[in-house]
Amino acid sequence: DAGVIQSPRHEVTEMGQEVTLRCKPISGHDYLFWYRQTMMRGLELLIYFNNNVPIDDSGMPEDRFSAKMPNASFSTLKIQPSEPRDSAVYFCASSLARQPLNTEAFFGQGTRLTVV
Amino acid sequence: AQKITQTQPGMFVQEKEAVTLDCTYDTSDQSYGLFWYKQPSSGEMIFLIYQGSYDEQNATEGRYSLNFQKARKSANLVISASQLGDSAMYFCAMRENSNDYKLSFGAGTTVTVRA
Repeated sequence: DAGVIQSPRHEVTEMGQEVTLRCKPISGHDYLFWYRQTMMRGLELLIYFNNNVPIDDSGMPEDRFSAKMPNASFSTLKIQPSEPRDSAVYFCASSLARQPLNTEAFFGQGTRLTVV
Repeated sequence: AQKITQTQPGMFVQEKEAVTLDCTYDTSDQSYGLFWYKQPSSGEMIFLIYQGSYDEQNATEGRYSLNFQKARKSANLVISASQLGDSAMYFCAMRENSNDYKLSFGAGTTVTVRA
């Protein structure tokens, strides 16, 4: 299995531009998590899905952030318009729904976003 | 309220010695899972070890072991025989039934192994 695949690995964009981050979870995994990591705030859970349905989006910082999971093999995190304070590493992770309490999440390599 | 607390922002350990990373958690669930992840400087998140709330034995995985004290709500990670490659950030995390199996992380502890 290729693991969780995120694209792009690096993104540099100008303030005000739309940014779309992509994630392909491990095949067969039912949970998908989006995290943001910064030095100041650590690892924050933004939103997560179960069977393509958003379960909790309380971590999404503002209306500028949106996430979708149109099918079991693809999810996007969109920032529109982007701001310099959105600069961070964004991780996607997936896990199995069967026995979720004892199932670890597998992380992608992350997308390093820089907004200038 | 913070669900996972890691009070040690950074630690130094001598090569070949053991190091203990503290993790306390807050839950009212009887059934939950605790996880430790390693994040080296390259940035990837690597799963290390898992402890279930009903597990009677402390989890072990190679040089990693978990000192699980349920009554105190602590799940400390012990790394034995530290190696230079153990230098990384370590995160404690939890999943709870009552929280829709959300995977919540602590702030992390940076470990630096000295030769």
